[in-house]
Amino acid sequence: TQLLEQSPQFLSIQEGENLTVYCNSSSVFSSLQWYRQEPGEGPVLLVTVVTGGEVKKLKRLTFQFGDARKDSSLHITAAQPGDTGLYLCAGEKGGSEKLVFGKGTKLTVNP
Amino acid sequence: NAGVMQNPRHLVRRRGQEARLRCSPMKGHSHVYWYRQLPEEGLKFMVYLQKENIIDESGMPKERFSAEFPKEGPSILRIQQVVRGDSAAYFCASSPDRTNPYEQYFGPGTRLTVT
Repeated sequence: TQLLEQSPQFLSIQEGENLTVYCNSSSVFSSLQWYRQEPGEGPVLLVTVVTGGEVKKLKRLTFQFGDARKDSSLHITAAQPGDTGLYLCAGEKGGSEKLVFGKGTKLTVNP
Repeated sequence: NAGVMQNPRHLVRRRGQEARLRCSPMKGHSHVYWYRQLPEEGLKFMVYLQKENIIDESGMPKERFSAEFPKEGPSILRIQQVVRGDSAAYFCASSPDRTNPYEQYFGPGTRLTVT
């Protein structure tokens, strides 16, 4: 059973386009993290969202946590080839301290 | 995340041998987590440790796998009598203290190949 479903699984776009990827669950999470992972490397933490409805911006990346804290989205504006990578969402259930990961969205931005 | 060190980066073992994976957390971090990533799968939690204590090992296979985080030195994930199904990328993560346990910082991983 996959607690966190990410969509789309693969996304290939041209430089300059906008995109949104999603992370959905039927479970409530205390917090949710977004990571980016490049081939042969470990995941790099991009952002943590904690409060329902929270929106965080990181340059061209906008992260939103759903009001019910069951889902999240990542929007990238004017994508660049450097944004290419595997985007992972991970949720933490209160008191557990272990992260539950989605399978990721593999993004390719073509020049 | 460059602060979390893992070695070796690549490890090849024959079936039946032992694999030892090491993880040094970021400076000042006292919480260590191990995750396994299989091809085309997401990262799966294995074990959570603090110094000299295993806090949660609910994701560890019952046999052949063990983990420790001694008072001095790195955390070790040990796999005895490896089988081909153990081939995967193993990641270690660390976090500072109980105020921010959900911010976990990952190392570069150890890619284990069992031949």
